[in-house]
Formats: sequence, structure tokens, C-alpha cells
Amino acid sequence: DTGVSQDPRHKITKRGQNVTFRCDPISEHNRLYWYRQTLGQGPEFLTYFQNEAQLEKSRLLSDRFSAERPKGSFSTLEIQRTEQGDSAMYLCASSPGQSYNEQFFGPGTRLTVL
Amino acid sequence: AQSVTQLDSQVPVFEEAPVELRCNYSSSVSVYLFWYVQYPNQGLQLLLKYLSGSTLVKGINGFEAEFNKSQTSFHLRKPSVHISDTAEYFCAAVYGGSQGNLIFGKGTKLSVKP
Repeated sequence: DTGVSQDPRHKITKRGQNVTFRCDPISEHNRLYWYRQTLGQGPEFLTYFQNEAQLEKSRLLSDRFSAERPKGSFSTLEIQRTEQGDSAMYLCASSPGQSYNEQFFGPGTRLTVL
Repeated sequence: AQSVTQLDSQVPVFEEAPVELRCNYSSSVSVYLFWYVQYPNQGLQLLLKYLSGSTLVKGINGFEAEFNKSQTSFHLRKPSVHISDTAEYFCAAVYGGSQGNLIFGKGTKLSVKP
């Protein structure tokens, strides 16, 4: 399967703990996006990488959130000191080339903060 | 602020009936428009996109959408739906000057009844 993969698919954690999610994009895609989707809402943009450079961050991305894409391949999203409001589905997408190209989405990581 | 509005949160329809899912976007000099579908427990999948050119675009599974600049709309249509079309549909936009991050509507749940 050469699609976008995310790990883990589900994560349950206690408030105050740190969590890290991983995204493996389609190999030749230079663009990588993270989104967050809460119940009853559409996905909301969090951050964007072009190769290894993080070029844009949403105001939704508080200081507790950090993302990396160290070698321009896989990416990680870390949330420190989780809060109940962080409970959501975290989606990763990748695309080649231009900004208007199709983004291919992974299955998401569902985070539940107790 | 740039946004995407999906006016209908739920649309019930009988099998083989036509359906239209409405989407409006913020007026902009440059905008690219997309419809994504999310089947239960699956990731987002692109149905169709409008970049430029012909205002009527055809996608997968018999869906089509029409770009209407004067009404800032991009409604999704299918002349005859099947049970298997039951899913959540998201309209999304990439606005000119952005890094390609998608701005999504809140989604429309299409329920096809026998």
C-alpha cells in the first residue's frame, strides 16, 4: 500500500501527558499537511511542510504543539501537557508539486484525553 | 475571513433520486475548489476539483459540480444516488496566496434510504 499512513490509529491518554503521532506520506510528495477534525466539524488546518521546512502554522497550533519533518519524509506531531480540548482526529495529508494539487489523506489518529 | 459554507448538515434522500449538496465559498480573486467524501471509518477521498476552465467538472462515482463565480457557489450533484453513496461530504477551498492549506466546510451527511 503506497498511501499515506498514520500511527497510532487510536490514542487514549490522561490529561497532562505528552503524546506523539507519526505520519508517513506518499514517498515522492514534497508537501505535507496536518489537520485536526473535531466531532461535527470539517478538518481544520494546523501546519504545513514543504520538504523539511515548516512554512506555515495555524493560530490553532498553540505552544504545546510541535511538528517536525526531519528529513523531508515522515513527520511527527507532538502535543505536550494534553488537555481534554485536544481530543480530536488528527489527519495528515500529502501532495506533490503545486498548492492546488490533490491532497491525499491518511486514515487519521483519534486522540482521546481523559 | 476566507471560509467555506455548507448550509445543509444532513440530507436524507431515497435511492435513485437526484441529490444536490450545497457549498458556498468566500469571494476571492483566486480560488481552487474541491469536494471530498468520507465513508464511515475511512479517510477523506477526493471526488472532484475545480482549478480553472470549464465550470462543470465531473468526478468519480457519477458526481459532478458546477463552479458559479457570480454566486460564489460550487454545488455537488448526482442524478441518481445509490445506497453506497451514504457518507459525509466536505467542500473545501484553497485560496490564492496560501500555501495550499485546505479550508473545509462543516460537512454534509448524505443518507440514502432504500
